[in-house]
Amino acid sequence: KAGVTQTPRYLIKTRGQQVTLSCSPISGHRSVSWYQQTPGQGLQFLFEYFSETQRNKGNFPGRFSGRQFSNSRSEMNVSTLELGDSALYLCASSPQDVNQETQYFGPGTRLLVL
Amino acid sequence: QKEVEQDPGPLSVPEGAIVSLNCTYSNSAFQYFMWYRQYSRKGPELLMYTYSSGNKEDGRFTAQVDKSSKYISLFIRDSQPSDSATYLCAMSKGGSYIPTFGRGTSLIVHP
Repeated sequence: KAGVTQTPRYLIKTRGQQVTLSCSPISGHRSVSWYQQTPGQGLQFLFEYFSETQRNKGNFPGRFSGRQFSNSRSEMNVSTLELGDSALYLCASSPQDVNQETQYFGPGTRLLVL
Repeated sequence: QKEVEQDPGPLSVPEGAIVSLNCTYSNSAFQYFMWYRQYSRKGPELLMYTYSSGNKEDGRFTAQVDKSSKYISLFIRDSQPSDSATYLCAMSKGGSYIPTFGRGTSLIVHP
């Protein structure tokens, strides 16, 4: 089975721009979560989608948004980029409808904001 | 105080050593405990997953949970240079709750 895939792998943007990141979960997984990872803050939860609905949300500003499509693929969008948004953005999918313990991560998208 | 505390290291050990990685937590509602391994420039990979207290063994890896002390450990026996990575602990209340991650401990196993 193919793992979680994320595109693009690397991205350079400038302040004020917006960016869209894409995630394809493992086939059959309906839950997709997004995380931001930085050296200073570690892994921070952004949001989780299940069956096209946002089910959980972390403490990030409204500039961070996401959506999930009927095939479970997910996108996240960051508008009005700030320097502090530079990070590794990770997507994780889970096979369980309810329990999130077995999450499988993609390789991440490394975003650099200049 | 963060819900999950993990020493960032780095922890440097010689090849063949027994490695002990630990996390403490403050939320007694956590029931599920996970360990992830993350190589440089890769996403985290789920290593071990345990429910409630006790031990779980998988090859060279043993996960231990002590809920009374709010303390979890990952032991790596006969450590190899290929074990060099960052190890993140994570824990969850179960259900649709999203896991809470530690900051990760950097492990270096030198030949």
